[in-house]
Amino acid sequence: GAVVSQHPSWVICKSGTSVKIECRSLDFQATTMFWYRQFPKQSLMLMATSNEGSKATYEQGVEKDKFLINHASLTLSTLTVTSAHPEDSSFYICSARDPGPRDTEAFFGQGTRLTVV
Amino acid sequence: AQSVTQPDIHITVSEGASLELRCNYSYGATPYLFWYVQSPGQGLQLLLKYFSGDTLVQGIKGFEAEFKRSQSSFNLRKPSVHWSDAAEYFCAVGAYNDYKLSFGAGTTVTVRA
Repeated sequence: GAVVSQHPSWVICKSGTSVKIECRSLDFQATTMFWYRQFPKQSLMLMATSNEGSKATYEQGVEKDKFLINHASLTLSTLTVTSAHPEDSSFYICSARDPGPRDTEAFFGQGTRLTVV
Repeated sequence: AQSVTQPDIHITVSEGASLELRCNYSYGATPYLFWYVQSPGQGLQLLLKYFSGDTLVQGIKGFEAEFKRSQSSFNLRKPSVHWSDAAEYFCAVGAYNDYKLSFGAGTTVTVRA
């Protein structure tokens, strides 16, 4: 399958600081990427849909000013958690859609574990 | 609105025994259905997917799933589990040509020797 890479795999930050998480499609151009959040022992909840060159579409209840998404190129989307607090600690996973011949699924990154202390 | 229900939170199975994980979905149109597996601290790996055609779908690692429209179900099965199958399993549903997925709560599979 296609390769989607997230960076970093884990990060610890102080409360009040901002953290940027990158999601890259390594072998295809992703016009659409998705950001999910997963709390411990729980399922994945879609946060937003990121479209290259346009504003992200956020799901209901997700603070767009808190979770800034930028999809400036066809291979990179970033999620910035601004003014992070301990309740933002979670596992964040991105997925990307390959609009080419492999367009039958979204490919997931390995996830980023964020811990805010 | 689309939703997925995985009724079993946790299943324990003996190595070599068969495994079935249940998944029920609610979706207004023809669903795209997926099963993913997640090992601790890892991302998601696609086991199999269903769009149309043959309702029995074969996936990786010896898994298969059967789509039953009348029951709105997409149950995952494996005839003989291995210790390495211990993980979290998620069923997901999406729209045609749209990979914004709704996930079930997940089923944790424990394999005992």
